[in-house]
Amino acid sequence: AQSVTQLGSHVSVSEGALVLLRCNYSSSVPPYLFWYVQYPNQGLQLLLKYTSAATLVKGINGFEAEFKKSETSFHLTKPSAHMSDAAEYFCAVSRQFRTGGGNKLTFGTGTQLKVEL
Amino acid sequence: GAGVSQSPSNKVTEKGKDVELRCDPISGHTALYWYRQSLGQGLEFLIYFQGNSAPDKSGLPSDRFSAERTGGSVSTLTIQRTQQEDSAVYLCASSGTRDRGHEQYFGPGTRLTVT
Repeated sequence: AQSVTQLGSHVSVSEGALVLLRCNYSSSVPPYLFWYVQYPNQGLQLLLKYTSAATLVKGINGFEAEFKKSETSFHLTKPSAHMSDAAEYFCAVSRQFRTGGGNKLTFGTGTQLKVEL
Repeated sequence: GAGVSQSPSNKVTEKGKDVELRCDPISGHTALYWYRQSLGQGLEFLIYFQGNSAPDKSGLPSDRFSAERTGGSVSTLTIQRTQQEDSAVYLCASSGTRDRGHEQYFGPGTRLTVT
C-alpha cells in the first residue's frame, strides 16, 4: 500500500518568507509524487509532479519540490511567499492500476498555508 | 479549452433520497476518476474508468454508491438512500494516458449536503 504523510495541518508564514510544506511517502515501488493546491470552493490544481526523471521538480507559481529517496520525502518549497499563495496544499502518491494505465491518487491530509503581512 | 465540469455545484437532499452527480471530462481524455473530500476522511478515491474497460470500483464505500460512464465520456455517480455521512464534496478528474504518471485534471466538485 502507498501513503503520504503531511506534517503540519496549518503553516503560517510572512509575506516574502520561505515556504516549506513537508511530505513524506511510503511506497513499496518507485512512486509517482504530486503536489496539488486547492483554493477555497475550487477543485484541485496540479502544482508539480515527480515521475522518476529529475529529482528537483519545478512547478507553477514559483514552487518546486525535491524527491529524496533516502529520506522518503518530497517537500514543497517556494523562496518568497505571496498573499495569493494562501490555500490548502495536498501531497499525493500514485501507483499503476493492474489493468489499463490509470493512476489512482492517494492523498495526504493537507496543509493549510496562511500568508501574513 | 474547456476543463472538467461537474453539476450541480451544490446539492442538498434529505436523508434516504437518491442523488445523481454528473461529470463532464476534458474532451479526448480516456481516464475518469471520482474522489470524495470530507472533513473526517480527507480525499478518498472512489472509482476509476478507463476507456471501455471494466471500472475499478475498489474505493466505493458501500453498495449504495454506483457510477457509470456513457459513451466513454460523461459519468454519473449515483448515491442511493443517502445518509448524513455521505455529506462531502465529490470531485471528478480526467486524464489522458499517453505517458506514465500523467496528471489528473480536477473539476470544481459537487458539494453534497444530506439533511
